[in-house]
This record gives sequence, structure tokens and C-alpha cells, in this order.
Amino acid sequence: AQSVTQLDSHVSVSEGTPVLLRCNYSSSYSPSLFWYVQHPNKGLQLLLKYTSAATLVKGINGFEAEFKKSETSFHLTKPSAHMSDAAEYFCVCWDNFNKFYFGSGTKLNVKP
Amino acid sequence: GAVVSQHPSWVICKSGTSVKIECRSLDFQATTMFWYRQFPKQSLMLMATSNEGSKATYEQGVEKDKFLINHASLTLSTLTVTSAHPEDSSFYICSAAPPGLAGVTDTQYFGPGTRLTVL
Repeated sequence: AQSVTQLDSHVSVSEGTPVLLRCNYSSSYSPSLFWYVQHPNKGLQLLLKYTSAATLVKGINGFEAEFKKSETSFHLTKPSAHMSDAAEYFCVCWDNFNKFYFGSGTKLNVKP
Repeated sequence: GAVVSQHPSWVICKSGTSVKIECRSLDFQATTMFWYRQFPKQSLMLMATSNEGSKATYEQGVEKDKFLINHASLTLSTLTVTSAHPEDSSFYICSAAPPGLAGVTDTQYFGPGTRLTVL
């Protein structure tokens, strides 16, 4: 069965410091994995996706994520946080058939 | 590219009325559209998967007679909340998935969401 676990419901960082948002997945197949960002009262915007090509995936706004099969992880990172990065982030797994599985979300707070 | 719109963005209605929410893919054809519901401070809950020209597939626990989904064209899907009640108040988000090489794409593009408030 597929599942996605986001280990932290809230993460707080200072502006200019690194960001790490953790995601672990459980999948019977070789998964496609995504990170989406949601600003308040907005829809979700795709940050990046992994689909069995390079394990280090670069996305928009300086974000990147590394697929580690041995750890079943797909953590999202950014070297230097900006105030505009404050939002909720969702890790999503596609089951290669017809369904997406969402993590519970991590709310990122960026302090000035 | 890959823009999905929703209309209306916010709707307030009286209990017992029906509300229709539209989801449109503006610059691509979407063979599959998904409807989600999001409660405050929670993740998205998939309600149903809508395939163009066929009946929607509803997730367990979602009343298909209450949440009517129509996917009449490759660019439009509608969700109608029938006889709405206050507990139906929520943020409804659609997403659209263009066809991929294998028939189904692995990327979905989200609409901005519709906030429904039922008085």
C-alpha cells in the first residue's frame, strides 16, 4: 500500500538559514514523488517532481529534493530561506496507476 | 503553461441550496480531473476522480448523490454540492492531469480552490 509521511507538522527557520522538510514514503512500486507548496487560501503549486531519472531533483525558487531509495525518503531542502517561502508544503506520491497520496503537510514559518 | 482555473473562488449559500463549482484547464486537455476537499489546517482529501466522458470514481465515504461530478469535455469538470449543509463548508480544490505517454500522466496541476460557506 502507498503512504506518505511528513515527519514535521511545523518547521520554523530564520531568514537566510537552510530549510529541511522531511518526507518518507511507502510504495510497492517505483514511485513518482512530488513536492507542492500552498500559500494561504490558494491552490497548490508544483515545486518539483521525481520520476525515476536523476535522484537529485531541482525545482523552482531554489528548492531541491533527493530521492533515497534505501531510506525511502524524499526530503525537500533549500540553502537559504526567504520570507516568501512561508507556506504549507505537501509531499505527494503517485501510484503509477490513477491515484495520488498526500502527506499531512508541513507548515514552514520563516522568522525575520 | 498548465493553468487550471476554478469558479467561483468563494461562494456563500443558504442551507438546502445547491452549488456548482467549475474547474477548467486553460491551456491543455485534461483526460483526468481530481476533486479534493481540504479542512482547515489539514491535508487534501481526495473526493473523486473524474474521467472525461465517463462516470466519476468516488472515494470511500464520499456520497456520490450529494457531490455530483460531471466531466463533459477535456477542459471542464464540475462539482455540484447538492442540498448543501453547514458541514459541507470547506475548501474545494480541483486538479487536472494531462494525458501522458502511457495514457495517464503523473503530474497534476491544481486550481486555486473554491471556498464554500454554507449558512
